[in-house]
Amino acid sequence: NAGVMQNPRHLVRRRGQEARLRCSPMKGHSHVYWYRQLPEEGLKFMVYLQKENIIDESGMPKERFSAEFPKEGPSILRIQQVVRGDSAAYFCASSLWDSTGNGYTFGSGTRLTVV
Amino acid sequence: SQQGEEDPQALSIQEGENATMNCSYKTSINNLQWYRQNSGRGLVHLILIRSNEREKHSGRLRVTLDTSKKSSSLLITASRAADTASYFCASWRQGGSEKLVFGKGTKLTVNP
Repeated sequence: NAGVMQNPRHLVRRRGQEARLRCSPMKGHSHVYWYRQLPEEGLKFMVYLQKENIIDESGMPKERFSAEFPKEGPSILRIQQVVRGDSAAYFCASSLWDSTGNGYTFGSGTRLTVV
Repeated sequence: SQQGEEDPQALSIQEGENATMNCSYKTSINNLQWYRQNSGRGLVHLILIRSNEREKHSGRLRVTLDTSKKSSSLLITASRAADTASYFCASWRQGGSEKLVFGKGTKLTVNP
């Protein structure tokens, strides 16, 4: 089990382009969480998904950002028309269903740079 | 709202010394976790302490939890240069949406 896989590790986009970030959870994990980390800051929750369902998107910006976790394949965080302020590290975590938050496993992150 | 505020924001010590980092949170929690992040890397889970626990040890790590003060501390004993990293607390709230809420972190530098 390779753990939570995120790709790409680094992504450079020009302003106005789209960014697609992928997260493959650990085998058997059906819960995925996306977090954003600005330079020198902590992780800010963005969205929590289960297979084919968005459970909590309270941390997602209202515009340009969307996330999905289809029945088959990785979870995708999509940022349309990127702006410089979107430059950050985006981390994905997965878990089995556990009401205590134990067992979160984080990926290594995707570092998005908008030029 | 951001839950979990660590202090100090930055800490610089000499190898062999102990490092203490504190974390405060706002709402009732089920558990509190500490993570470590090396510069430019992902997060590594260090230790979890449940709300009904007061102290927990793991190797050179000691975590305390005071639910009456809504605070936790992480102590790293006999620090090493390899402990240089950022340390974050993350709380799992009781009730509500299930997600970890992170603090802003303490940047620890251990000088050889």
